[in-house]
Amino acid sequence: SAVISQKPSRDICQRGTSLTIQCQVDSQVTMMFWYRQQPGQSLTLIATANQGSEATYESGFVIDKFPISRPNLTFSTLTVSNMSPEDSSIYLCSGSWDTEAFFGQGTRLTVV
Amino acid sequence: GQNIDQPTEMTATEGAIVQINCTYQTSGFNGLFWYQQHAGEAPTFLSYNVLDGLEEKGRFSSFLSRSKGYSYLLLKELQMKDSASYLCAVRELNQAGTALIFGKGTTLSVSS
Repeated sequence: SAVISQKPSRDICQRGTSLTIQCQVDSQVTMMFWYRQQPGQSLTLIATANQGSEATYESGFVIDKFPISRPNLTFSTLTVSNMSPEDSSIYLCSGSWDTEAFFGQGTRLTVV
Repeated sequence: GQNIDQPTEMTATEGAIVQINCTYQTSGFNGLFWYQQHAGEAPTFLSYNVLDGLEEKGRFSSFLSRSKGYSYLLLKELQMKDSASYLCAVRELNQAGTALIFGKGTTLSVSS
């Protein structure tokens, strides 16, 4: 198994500002992903964080809004840019190998 | 694209057995995962199936039939602490390699 640490664990932000969420894995992982989870709903994949290159975004998510970095095999960041109240959600980082995938504790973001 | 279906809610009593079904339609299937998520917490990995058949892990078992696009999670000797959301997730091949796509989750309520 692996330990995935995310920070901040929660934040309250003003609309129009940006927040960067950090994800640190305690061992090297093959793949890293970012998900969003609205209250009472399941997880929606935002993007795959690729080491040393641009992230691969799912339909409905764009780099200008959610820039992602992954400088090495154990660390990634997700920025939520120009925030609006609709961005209020839980953002989860995930790391995976062949047969297992683990999640960080999530970042609970509230935009006011 | 992908389509993952599972029941929205299920109820059961302590000591009973419950089966949570998941059907999926996806291109580039590369494995199926089950997760447990308690309210306010991150998803916890339960099981992984990539070949047809049954995988048993303690009180939890997971079954996969790739030809039918079907999986189930079987929970035996139910306990109150098993009340949670159970998420079926399909790993599929995409532009970045592979990614986990989640169903909407099944909320299981266990009563005494």
